[in-house]
Amino acid sequence: GQSLEQPSEVTAVEGAIVQINCTYQTSGFYGLSWYQQHDGGAPTFLSYNGLDGLEETGRFSSFLSRSDSYGYLLLQELQMKDSASYFCAVYNQGGKLIFGQGTELSVKP
Amino acid sequence: GAVVSQHPSWVICKSGTSVKIECRSLDFQATTMFWYRQFPKQSLMLMATSNEGSKATYEQGVEKDKFLINHASLTLSTLTVTSAHPEDSSFYICSARGRTKGSGGNQPQHFGDGTRLSIL
Repeated sequence: GQSLEQPSEVTAVEGAIVQINCTYQTSGFYGLSWYQQHDGGAPTFLSYNGLDGLEETGRFSSFLSRSDSYGYLLLQELQMKDSASYFCAVYNQGGKLIFGQGTELSVKP
Repeated sequence: GAVVSQHPSWVICKSGTSVKIECRSLDFQATTMFWYRQFPKQSLMLMATSNEGSKATYEQGVEKDKFLINHASLTLSTLTVTSAHPEDSSFYICSARGRTKGSGGNQPQHFGDGTRLSIL
């Protein structure tokens, strides 16, 4: 089976940097993805790490260490609109995308 | 970018009604489509996976006779909730993925906007 763990909630202020961690256990690993979901909306794709290291896309970066079964999403220069739920997700051997429980990020002024 | 269209976005109906939700990939061929369900403040739970032209594969605990999935073409999959009851009220989200290029990794999954189903 597979399981993913991430903090349930994180609070930060505008302009700050926040890191959301994700540890996973899966039989067969084919990449770690991150999704953002605003209240009432559908998930939107943020990033994908198939190999170890850091991927940067604008204010967002994602890191993966396969040996540690660990990754994180780094959000810089936080804005109010970044308040949302963030999900890490892994592809398993069957090619299915399995989601973590989500981290609710609250950005305060 | 890749677009997945899901309709309807909101359904309210009486208990016992069957509800059909459509999921279309607008600018790519979706060889695989996925259906998720999400309850408030919870994660997305995979219900089933469907490949074009073949029967859907359901996750453990999901009743295949209650949640009928059809993936008749490379651009359309439908989920029918049969004889819906209040406990079926949820946010249903489809996702589509195109052909995988090369031998490594997976194509990103693109999500529809979801369907909020409320059964009275």
